[in-house]
Amino acid sequence: GQQVMQIPQYQHVQEGEDFTTYCNSSTTLSNIQWYKQRPGGHPVFLIQLVKSGEVKKQKRLTFQFGEAKKNSSLHITATQTTDVGTYFCAATPLSGSRLTFGEGTQLTVNP
Amino acid sequence: DADVTQTPRNRITKTGKRIMLECSQTKGHDRMYWYRQDPGLGLQLIYYSFDVKDINKGEISDGYSVSRQAQAKFSLSLESAIPNQTALYFCATSSGQGRYNEQFFGPGTRLTVL
Repeated sequence: GQQVMQIPQYQHVQEGEDFTTYCNSSTTLSNIQWYKQRPGGHPVFLIQLVKSGEVKKQKRLTFQFGEAKKNSSLHITATQTTDVGTYFCAATPLSGSRLTFGEGTQLTVNP
Repeated sequence: DADVTQTPRNRITKTGKRIMLECSQTKGHDRMYWYRQDPGLGLQLIYYSFDVKDINKGEISDGYSVSRQAQAKFSLSLESAIPNQTALYFCATSSGQGRYNEQFFGPGTRLTVL
């Protein structure tokens, strides 16, 4: 089945530092979604990317979809303690309809 | 989202017991999903249903069964629970309108099998 690899698994930063998580697939994707799960909470949808090379921004968060539609990244500028949580990518292959989640990147932010 | 509810929220049971986890939604979505979350393993799809008469196995369906009683209800059963089924279980829904749509998750059920 399709595999979606996400790195790093854990990231510890000082408040104010930047953070990036990467998502990679061996197959071409139709779209990629990003979710955030706060500690003790449930995953919440952040954004969806569909077009090759697409870049979307939400305040301090920047999401990119690779030109080949096989990878994506989420970058947070100047992290805050409210950014703490696990960030998941989720991808749909070009040839299918089922969403597959990456393993997630757990972000901790030291104040 | 309060629109997707799961019961119970926590459950402790013993090996060999039959367990049912329930999910209800008021979003009017056709598509419903059951996921299992283990630390460091992300979300693994157990079963999914695109409408009331449609049931599909996910990545890790062995040891689980589901029932789609109505558009709004999707239950997950563990016929004979075992300790390695201890995990956090999430139900999710999506509208199915168009090819790409977000999933809305319930609050989760924490299951412990002793």
